[in-house]
Amino acid sequence: GAVVSQHPSWVICKSGTSVKIECRSLDFQATTMFWYRQFPKQSLMLMATSNEGSKATYEQGVEKDKFLINHASLTLSTLTVTSAHPEDSSFYICSARVLAGEADTQYFGPGTRLTVL
Amino acid sequence: AQSVTQLDSQVPVFEEAPVELRCNYSSSVSVYLFWYVQYPNQGLQLLLKYLSGSTLVESINGFEAEFNKSQTSFHLRKPSVHISDTAEYFCAVQTNFGNEKLTFGTGTRLTIIP
Repeated sequence: GAVVSQHPSWVICKSGTSVKIECRSLDFQATTMFWYRQFPKQSLMLMATSNEGSKATYEQGVEKDKFLINHASLTLSTLTVTSAHPEDSSFYICSARVLAGEADTQYFGPGTRLTVL
Repeated sequence: AQSVTQLDSQVPVFEEAPVELRCNYSSSVSVYLFWYVQYPNQGLQLLLKYLSGSTLVESINGFEAEFNKSQTSFHLRKPSVHISDTAEYFCAVQTNFGNEKLTFGTGTRLTIIP
């Protein structure tokens, strides 16, 4: 149980184009999903918290208009990188929150590697 | 705000030898603690977690971690490592006041030497 998928697993795009990444909870409903960014040999940095049916909450320093998040259903959240540039190249990972007694547990997707040329 | 320090960025260990991956945290409030493992080109998998109760927690694949409140540590240990344990290990902390954000350490790359 608690499987999270991401699509695509990798994508290469030209500078200036937009890229959409999907995050799905396969066997459970997730009212909250999270989007992280991971640079090579670095830790995960939380970008935003995505809540079903409401606007995402962005971390300080993350551009809302550049990283569009939509959480239209209890099993799907999408991250769209608009007008991507080479500096946006990174590994993007989503997670879905499952309540587990005293604390929630986050289950992570396999990640999407974005390369912007 | 809380923070996590993983003191070792890389740890090489011979197969079947013991290993300890260090994790220290800082927080002004009580926290929950987690260890996640990341295999190459994959997302993170939960290895074990400490919420409350016994300070020693174990995973199904032989890892264990001990919560030490006085030393604000949550070190990960395994008495005998296997080649398949080669991965990146992340320590994470979460406050227990309803804040669901996880704060991650910078990770430790564990390399098992045959």
